[in-house]
Amino acid sequence: EAQVTQNPRYLITVTGKKLTVTCSQNMNHEYMSWYRQDPGLGLRQIYYSMNVEVTDKGDVPEGYKVSRKEKRNFPLILESPSPNQTSLYFCASSSLLEEKLFFGSGTQLSVL
Amino acid sequence: KQEVTQIPAALSVPEGENLVLNCSFTDSAIYNLQWFRQDPGKGLTSLLLIQSSQREQTSGRLNASLDKSSGRSTLYIAASQPGDSATYLCAVHEGAQKLVFGQGTRLTINP
Repeated sequence: EAQVTQNPRYLITVTGKKLTVTCSQNMNHEYMSWYRQDPGLGLRQIYYSMNVEVTDKGDVPEGYKVSRKEKRNFPLILESPSPNQTSLYFCASSSLLEEKLFFGSGTQLSVL
Repeated sequence: KQEVTQIPAALSVPEGENLVLNCSFTDSAIYNLQWFRQDPGKGLTSLLLIQSSQREQTSGRLNASLDKSSGRSTLYIAASQPGDSATYLCAVHEGAQKLVFGQGTRLTINP
């Protein structure tokens, strides 16, 4: 089954404790991206990647890192999480030919 | 900076009605436009993607139109059903993968 898999589904952590949210797709898509969704602000793009080793900033990249060492994986790294990074995070992917986006189920992150 | 607006924020209609959801954007120099639905607690599902050279796309009971010159897109849902209840979001592609989302319209179809 074609899918984008994010882990974990829920995460509660404390300020300053490094964490990684994983994202993997099984559709051989070139494009992958990360979004956060906040009430009243909607979905905002954090980072995106056009292919392996190619990443670029979205609208809200501060406080986040990404890497694209393999085509299927695009982890989101929070080196020193802060409470304002409490949010619902989504990973998405799409192919070069068909730009329809496929989304993961989301990761609800709470930073205390 | 591109801004995407969806009005109304919420809409409630009886089952069987045809309805239109609106999306407007401030910069007409867009790459594509995509409509999604989001169910509570779940990710987004792409419904229709309209390329900048196209005027509309259709899938089943859904029809999306795009008027770049006026900065508008509409999503038409025919013969609405309770299963259509969800939040509908539009997103403008500023580049192939640089997306700006509207805040969505929460749609409720009453049986």
